[in-house]
Amino acid sequence: RKEVEQDPGPFNVPEGATVAFNCTYSNSASQSFFWYRQDCRKEPKLLMSVYSSGNEDGRFTAQLNRASQYISLLIRDSKLSDSATYLCVVNPRAGNNRKLIWGLGTSLAVNP
Amino acid sequence: NAGVTQTPKFRVLKTGQSMTLLCAQDMNHEYMYWYRQDPGMGLRLIHYSVGEGTTAKGEVPDGYNVSRLKKQNFLLGLESAAPSQTSVYFCASRSVGGGKTQYFGPGTRLLVL
Repeated sequence: RKEVEQDPGPFNVPEGATVAFNCTYSNSASQSFFWYRQDCRKEPKLLMSVYSSGNEDGRFTAQLNRASQYISLLIRDSKLSDSATYLCVVNPRAGNNRKLIWGLGTSLAVNP
Repeated sequence: NAGVTQTPKFRVLKTGQSMTLLCAQDMNHEYMYWYRQDPGMGLRLIHYSVGEGTTAKGEVPDGYNVSRLKKQNFLLGLESAAPSQTSVYFCASRSVGGGKTQYFGPGTRLLVL
């Protein structure tokens, strides 16, 4: 089993749709979790951290399920500008300065 | 603030040639990282640094060397380029205690023929 797994997609959705991505991780001791966004031929940028109680930032909601070892990202009212690859990132242990585990990403295309 | 910058943006090398990729950050970050990104492989850590004068190996360090002589700069060297080093290279930095948010440079596209 890969350390971090994501459905590569692509997810093709119309504008205004709600779309959700899941990401599973294998290390139950993982400490912190993030969603990054990467536009085509650009660098990754932090979208949001994922907190144990779940968190929301505008149209974006992140959830963590430790029992089932997955995190999710929900995007409501999709915009054309949301088209990108969404990377799931896991920090495997506290105090770890070096090795974040990066998923391969889920591709989202929002269509007019 | 420019954030994290990388030079060059694009480079073509012949097998066996050497080159240095430069990463600079103006955010006074302690930690800096070099990644490579390949299709189907995701981001893989090459080397990282937790402070000026210190470096450490990441996941895929072979064929690369690094130096952090100044806090704001992190250099990645390829002594003898190989086609397997064709990739997109990203530099990132983050502050101590500022969560784990890494800020990335725009990337360097390297083609080794």
